[in-house]
Amino acid sequence: EVQLVESGGGLVQPGGSLRLSCAASGFTFSNYWMTWVRQTPGKGLEWVANIKQDGSEKNYLDSVKGRFTISRDNAKNSLYLRMSSLRAEDTAVYYCARERHYGSWYFDLWGRGTMVTVSS
Amino acid sequence: QSALTQPASVSGSPGQSITISCTGSRSDVGNYNLVSWYQHHPGKAPKLIIHEVSKWSSGVSNRFSGSKSGNTASLTISGLQAEDEADYYCCSYAGSDTFPYVFGTGTKVTVL
Repeated sequence: EVQLVESGGGLVQPGGSLRLSCAASGFTFSNYWMTWVRQTPGKGLEWVANIKQDGSEKNYLDSVKGRFTISRDNAKNSLYLRMSSLRAEDTAVYYCARERHYGSWYFDLWGRGTMVTVSS
Repeated sequence: QSALTQPASVSGSPGQSITISCTGSRSDVGNYNLVSWYQHHPGKAPKLIIHEVSKWSSGVSNRFSGSKSGNTASLTISGLQAEDEADYYCCSYAGSDTFPYVFGTGTKVTVL
């Protein structure tokens, strides 16, 4: 089955760190750009970061630059998001998504998300 | 980059048609035919419905259709069904490889 499954969310104190994982299956993971998108409570969706097939290009939302790091392990069909110096405003459901890049620009496969709560 | 503007809610009776608008600017919606639409039932994975303004995602019903005029894109759901009740989000290419996407504020569709 073609799917993405996120894990690693939880409750963390402000200033703390967390690593999210996304396990891909049913498709050739190494052929695709991958993205993290978040949904804050009561608000809409927000693109967070993306990464090229081989990991050589990474892009970030300005508000997470220097605090979040996106990475991937193609041998393990996995995508990661390392989050540090977490703030209350980072509280959200984090989704990983498969991205159609270069001229198409959309997400054709999503996971169910993992909840991150930043609170003391 | 500001979020694209969608109505907070739209409702309709079974069988009716509804349209959800998505208003951006000349920097995003107005400048590129790269608007996509996603259906999200809370607790489930969001699902791609439409990409590149009007192209159906594989397996999606042709009751869904997309269009664009100027800085506003639209999603129309024809023959509204109970299972269409969900949140809907538009998304546009934002013109930069380093900040490529801007999403809409989301619309809750209620089937009366």
